[in-house]
Amino acid sequence: DAGITQSPRHKVTETGTPVTLRCHQTENHRYMYWYRQDPGHGLRLIHYSYGVKDTDKGEVSDGYSVSRSKTEDFLLTLESATSSQTSVYFCAISGLAGGSSYNEQFFGPGTRLTVL
Amino acid sequence: AQSVTQPDIHITVSEGASLELRCNYSYGATPYLFWYVQSPGQGLQLLLKYFSGDTLVQGIKGFEAEFKRSQSSFNLRKPSVHWSDAAEYFCAVAPGGGNKLTFGTGTQLKVEL
Repeated sequence: DAGITQSPRHKVTETGTPVTLRCHQTENHRYMYWYRQDPGHGLRLIHYSYGVKDTDKGEVSDGYSVSRSKTEDFLLTLESATSSQTSVYFCAISGLAGGSSYNEQFFGPGTRLTVL
Repeated sequence: AQSVTQPDIHITVSEGASLELRCNYSYGATPYLFWYVQSPGQGLQLLLKYFSGDTLVQGIKGFEAEFKRSQSSFNLRKPSVHWSDAAEYFCAVAPGGGNKLTFGTGTQLKVEL
């Protein structure tokens, strides 16, 4: 257990409303990632962070923003949710200081988001 | 274009039978390679990984995978499947050993009793 929690675990919202998903880690990993999972697409990277206040875009970043103000928390925000953003969102972490590999990612339990 | 391909969307095997899940990648250099498993309603769990060295790697739950450079493949195998292995399996690569993963679209494994 890599000590990752996601909140909320389930959320239903309406089109046009803002939504923020939270990823929290307890083990001081340097890198944090947000993915979305959709049938037929596997997991696709939305944004990632390589340190506090250091973030970069992934493959499907349009319509999403992120923030990381402290090591343990990585927030994903949908500024104005659309039905195409209905998905399961996973947070992942990697890069434990002194660990064996910066590439091995550990995943949270996921957040199921439905946009009506 | 760089890509990861899992050609089998669904596979059904009988309990006790052997299993091979295919994964091919298209990158210029040898990437870092991973297999993850996802049970229904759960997150992803790492089964095994290949960075360098011995091309046959052992993982958890009795799984193994073989890296074949000439075929750009990293196929997952298990000699005898258990009913609890029913899940979705994802191959992933980190091009050039970087920190971003690219995932295949997954293979759904069904185990018949």
